[in-house]
Amino acid sequence: ETGVTQSPTHLIKTRGQQVTLRCSSQSGHNTVSWYQQALGQGPQFIFQYYREEENGRGNFPPRFSGLQFPNYSSELNVNALELDDSALYLCASKVQGSKAFFGQGTRLTVV
Amino acid sequence: AQTVTQSQPEMSVQEAETVTLSCTYDTSESDYYLFWYKQPPSRQMILVIRQEAYKQQNATENRFSVNFQKAAKSFSLKISDSQLGDAAMYFCAYRRNLFNTGNQFYFGTGTSLTVIP
Repeated sequence: ETGVTQSPTHLIKTRGQQVTLRCSSQSGHNTVSWYQQALGQGPQFIFQYYREEENGRGNFPPRFSGLQFPNYSSELNVNALELDDSALYLCASKVQGSKAFFGQGTRLTVV
Repeated sequence: AQTVTQSQPEMSVQEAETVTLSCTYDTSESDYYLFWYKQPPSRQMILVIRQEAYKQQNATENRFSVNFQKAAKSFSLKISDSQLGDAAMYFCAYRRNLFNTGNQFYFGTGTSLTVIP
């Protein structure tokens, strides 16, 4: 049990739609990052938030956006869904100086 | 840019035997961390072991140990006395040691480990 919870567990969306994925972190975890893990691949870094500000971004287009809230929860929003967005989305949170804790992921299927 | 390479898509080991998973990485930085994560079918990433680049001594955690060769940019994981519960996907990961980059991991493509009873 990592104390990091993602919702929903599974999700099916239609191409062109928008989706919001959620991550609830342990109290005090002021750093959260999101990853996209395509089938059979390693996780790819999307972006990171520190104290509610984005402070790092991977090679993902602007239609991938996020928010981090004062209650240590966060969101990943994806607009104009494409078939290639089908993947497992993972969040990881931590306090500075500690190890990262991963959630169990949200499996997104775009049809 | 940092890259992490795992050249063994699949490995198998007999129960109670030893297996070594390979990982190489590329970076121009001198201060960083390396990790091995386990991802079972439950999908949750579980930290197996961590190595700090400035430490010469190889990290060990019970049955898990690493061989860290900084000059060669190599970071292999040895699992001793393999157990059925070790079966999973294993990912090698890199993370820079900079303030506020604490969650920015670069992962390899993974090695699927099968443990044969």
